[in-house]
Amino acid sequence: DTEVTQTPKHLVMGMTNKKSLKCEQHMGHRAMYWYKQKAKKPPELMFVYSYEKLSINESVPSRFSPECPNSSLLNLHLHALQPEDSALYLCASSQDYDEQYFGPGTRLTVT
Amino acid sequence: LAKTTQPISMDSYEGQEVNITCSHNNIATNDYITWYQQFPSQGPRFIIQGYKTKVTNEVASLFIPADRKSSTLSLPRVSLSDTAVYYCLVGDMGGSQGNLIFGKGTKLSVKP
Repeated sequence: DTEVTQTPKHLVMGMTNKKSLKCEQHMGHRAMYWYKQKAKKPPELMFVYSYEKLSINESVPSRFSPECPNSSLLNLHLHALQPEDSALYLCASSQDYDEQYFGPGTRLTVT
Repeated sequence: LAKTTQPISMDSYEGQEVNITCSHNNIATNDYITWYQQFPSQGPRFIIQGYKTKVTNEVASLFIPADRKSSTLSLPRVSLSDTAVYYCLVGDMGGSQGNLIFGKGTKLSVKP
């Protein structure tokens, strides 16, 4: 199984809501990532987990809170987001810091 | 981090070979070169990775000159379905962020 799954596919939330994005992989990969992608822009790295520990935080605002409950799961908890946070959120995994396998993304709209 | 520079866009016709060049003048000794393809509203997909000379797989070839300051992704006989954005990333495998940082990419448009 070489698939990274992400749920939900689409999410609309208000600025006062709390929601979570979920990502799952069963390839035994040790590294998992969150990226944010705005329209017509390249993916921007947000967080990197290695062996279930946060190893890179690209100065992301605290309204985004990552969590890695186990080696197969990665969550992104969202709270008090702004409309400018609307974007495609991509999850990826890799065995080392090499070939990354990306999920299909969650399209987030903040109203 | 090695910065990459690619053409913003390229046009081609079906059946042609397409070569996309990426410049990375300050590439480090331990850095690898990785290319991804991305279709609209989908996650990027790994195409190929190399360190030096030439690498070939079932979908593309990657040419890297001896000085490694640039690399060329070669797509043989493109089809309409190859219309996508292609990203070049440069970095090592040791946890630095180089090969996790996407540049602006090249938007390839294949016409019939």
